[in-house]
Amino acid sequence: AQSVAQPEDQVNVAEGNPLTVKCTYSVSGNPYLFWYVQYPNRGLQFLLKYITGDNLVKGSYGFEAEFNKSQTSFHLKKPSALVSDSALYFCAVRDPAGGSGYALNFGKGTSLLVTP
Amino acid sequence: DSGVTQTPKHLITATGQRVTLRCSPRSGDLSVYWYQQSLDQGLQFLIHYYNGEERAKGNILERFSAQQFPDLHSELNLSSLELGDSALYFCASSVVPASSYNEQFFGPGTRLTVL
Repeated sequence: AQSVAQPEDQVNVAEGNPLTVKCTYSVSGNPYLFWYVQYPNRGLQFLLKYITGDNLVKGSYGFEAEFNKSQTSFHLKKPSALVSDSALYFCAVRDPAGGSGYALNFGKGTSLLVTP
Repeated sequence: DSGVTQTPKHLITATGQRVTLRCSPRSGDLSVYWYQQSLDQGLQFLIHYYNGEERAKGNILERFSAQQFPDLHSELNLSSLELGDSALYFCASSVVPASSYNEQFFGPGTRLTVL
């Protein structure tokens, strides 16, 4: 079964500092990994994905993620956090063989709080 | 705005009742996915439709059913509602063809409260 784990319920960072939101995965075969963000009372917005290729993936709003096969991780990063980045972040994995019809299997989410 | 629309935005109903949630995918998307988000279960995949046909089921209860119509909109039917069904229900769509590497675009969700 394909799964991801987000070990932190909450991450606190000061505005202007770099941020990291952690995600580790457990998959058979090559993982297809995604990050989504959910703002209060909103749907999920796609940030970025890793399918193959460069281990550093660049996405929306200045976010990037580093795929590390040896550590089975896909951490989300941003060099300089903004207060407006405060939201709930979800890591997700998808079965490349089409299990569950390519549905996303989400982590439990990490709440990011950026303080001024 | 993702281009995926869901109605209604909020729904309050009583235990034992039946409700229907509606989703219109982005223009051109044939795949529709339904997810449930609750505090205790997190975000869970319920069911996937592709071009009118059911393609996959996740953790969907037998009291729940869905369909996708010829115009590609989808409806999620929840019956014999229980308190524990209170949750945020999301619909997502993805581009044609259904593929493992295409991202899904989520609607704003329907918040269901069962009293």
